[in-house]
Amino acid sequence: DAGVIQSPRHEVTEMGQEVTLRCKPISGHNSLFWYRQTMMRGLELLIYFNNNVPIDDSGMPEDRFSAKMPNASFSTLKIQPSEPRDSAVYFCASSLQSGTVNIQYFGAGTRLSVL
Amino acid sequence: GENVEQHPSTLSVQEGDSAVIKCTYSDSASNYFPWYKQELGKRPQLIIDIRSNVGEKKDQRIAVTLNKTAKHFSLHITETQPEDSAVYFCAASEGNNDMRFGAGTRLTVKP
Repeated sequence: DAGVIQSPRHEVTEMGQEVTLRCKPISGHNSLFWYRQTMMRGLELLIYFNNNVPIDDSGMPEDRFSAKMPNASFSTLKIQPSEPRDSAVYFCASSLQSGTVNIQYFGAGTRLSVL
Repeated sequence: GENVEQHPSTLSVQEGDSAVIKCTYSDSASNYFPWYKQELGKRPQLIIDIRSNVGEKKDQRIAVTLNKTAKHFSLHITETQPEDSAVYFCAASEGNNDMRFGAGTRLTVKP
C-alpha cells in the first residue's frame, strides 16, 4: 500500500481564493483525520470521520473551513475564502480502529501558503 | 475534552545519554497513549504506544511508562543517537478516535 496520499504537496494562493486539499486514506481504514500544524499552535485536530461520517468537527476554526468524505477512499478539506493566518501544514491521517488501539498513519502533508 | 500537556518543549542531550519526555492528560477515561516522532519536514510517525492496562512497554532503546493514578506518561530514550533528533509528540485518546496531541518536544542529540 502506498500509505496515505495527500495532494497537492505545496499550495501557494492569494488571500480570498478558495483552497481545496485532498486525501486518499489507506485502503481498508475506517477513520480519517484532518490536522493543522503550525509553530504557534502545534498539531491541531480539525475534524475526523468514522465510516465516512463526520464525528467531531469542533476543531474546525470557523465557517470558512469545510470537510467532506464522499466515499471511503477520498476526502477534501476546503477553505473559502482563504486568509494569511491559514498558512500551515495540513496533514491527513487514517486508521483502522480496533478496540482501544488507534494507530494513525499520516500523509506527507500539504504546505499551504496564503499571501 | 482531553487536554494533553508535554514537557519539556526543547531538550538537548549528548550522544549516548538518555532523554526523558513527560506528558500529562486530563481525561481519566483516556486509555490509549501513542508517541509520534516527526523529523524535520516529514510526517509524524508512530514509534511506540501503550494501553491503559499496561504500566510499561519497551522496544529496544525506547520505553514508555504510564501512571494512570497520576495521569501522566513518559517516553524514555536510552543511548541516544544523532538520528534520534526530531520533534516528539505524545497523545491521548479514549479509543474513540478523538486523539489529542501534546505540543511537542524538540530533541537534539549532539554528537
